[in-house]
Amino acid sequence: SQQGEEDPQALSIQEGENATMNCSYKTSINNLQWYRQNSGRGLVHLILIRSNEREKHSGRLRVTLDTSKKSSSLLITASRAADTASYFCATGRGSARQLTFGSGTQLTVLP
Amino acid sequence: EAGVAQSPRYKIIEKRQSVAFWCNPISGHATLYWYQQILGQGPKLLIQFQNNGVVDDSQLPKDRFSAERLKGVDSTLKIQPAKLEDSAVYLCASSRIAGALNSPLHFGNGTRLTVT
Repeated sequence: SQQGEEDPQALSIQEGENATMNCSYKTSINNLQWYRQNSGRGLVHLILIRSNEREKHSGRLRVTLDTSKKSSSLLITASRAADTASYFCATGRGSARQLTFGSGTQLTVLP
Repeated sequence: EAGVAQSPRYKIIEKRQSVAFWCNPISGHATLYWYQQILGQGPKLLIQFQNNGVVDDSQLPKDRFSAERLKGVDSTLKIQPAKLEDSAVYLCASSRIAGALNSPLHFGNGTRLTVT
């Protein structure tokens, strides 16, 4: 079963706007990771946030984690057409050594 | 560093036929994963290897799927016989550190399987 669920399923914005995607999960986690997948390609790791962290930045990406609400958000600022892709959250939990992926948000950035 | 290599890129077979996929992880990465990604969904773990030992294969349909990682380097995933519902992209990933706690996964571009 999939641990994380992204919201919205699809998002369409204009270039230059900010894009926010949310991820909710059900059980306690050790860390949460975000990945990007361009059409026809594999997933690319974007950022990892540990359960004791609340916010993390990487370039135009900002990730927040609220363990009390079991949710995370990914913000992409000043979006570009090249940001068009599917974005997945993935959780690692307990003694499990694998990641469980959500169903993804399809982001379309219009030029 | 070279990325995760997978082949073939595409495969079309008829149901009940067999098929094999190959993966070569990033050099030095001890952990290797096979994921199945059905169109419109997130990847689902099929099997995880640590060196040449299986860590988790709880979601692998063992009546038709098999995987091996000889010598702890490259790996093959086989389906025999294939069913229509096996149509998906099969992704291989590797990570340097064992476990998901602090280690990002590096993915190959996958093999797109179509079963007709």
